[in-house]
Amino acid sequence: QVQLVQSGAEVKNPGSSVKVSCKAAGGTFSTYGITWVRQAPGQGLEWMGRIIPILNIANYAEKFQGRVTITADKSTTTAYMELSSLRSDDTAVYYCARLRSRFGNYARWGYFDLWGRGTLVTVSS
Amino acid sequence: DIQMTQSPSSLSASVGDRVTITCQATQDVNNFLNWYQQKPGEAPKLLIYDASNLETGVPSRFSGSGSGTDFTFTISSLQSEDIATYFCQQFDTLPYTFGQGTKLEIK
Repeated sequence: QVQLVQSGAEVKNPGSSVKVSCKAAGGTFSTYGITWVRQAPGQGLEWMGRIIPILNIANYAEKFQGRVTITADKSTTTAYMELSSLRSDDTAVYYCARLRSRFGNYARWGYFDLWGRGTLVTVSS
Repeated sequence: DIQMTQSPSSLSASVGDRVTITCQATQDVNNFLNWYQQKPGEAPKLLIYDASNLETGVPSRFSGSGSGTDFTFTISSLQSEDIATYFCQQFDTLPYTFGQGTKLEIK
């Protein structure tokens, strides 16, 4: 049974960076992508970006362009999300989720079918 | 970006009630629309994909319908374990976008 295991909670100073990991324990990335979604306290879900290793592509929400980098290491089945220039309003739970393609044909990706438990990132001086 | 608007934002219902949540998109998303359930303190869970298909293992009391810009999520007979916040999400066009959520409580 594949699980997405995320790294532990972080406390960061404003202006610094954070790198959150997401390991697909018991599985591979071979036919899936990984996407990142964050949730500020008491708020809704906000999509940040995705990586699809089999297509060698990464896409980011415009809001985070230039501040976020999503990478994946197929050899260790681990994905990473790095967010820089942190501000207090970046305080949130950051989730990774497995991204599945429609009919498995890689043409359209959009199903977040398995989620990690989330990583709380607190930005405070 | 495609904006997704859910209604209502919160809902109180009794066990056994039929519950309906709507999701409206600012442009046609075809049927590229998913529904997620998020219980307090947990990660979201995919319930419905492509507007009306039940994800494997999800109870049949959950259903979805709609296409284009207007979608509906229904719980046919509310159970106490369904207390959660429900989100719609479109994947027709990047960026993926979510509705603001509907918080469901037991009356």
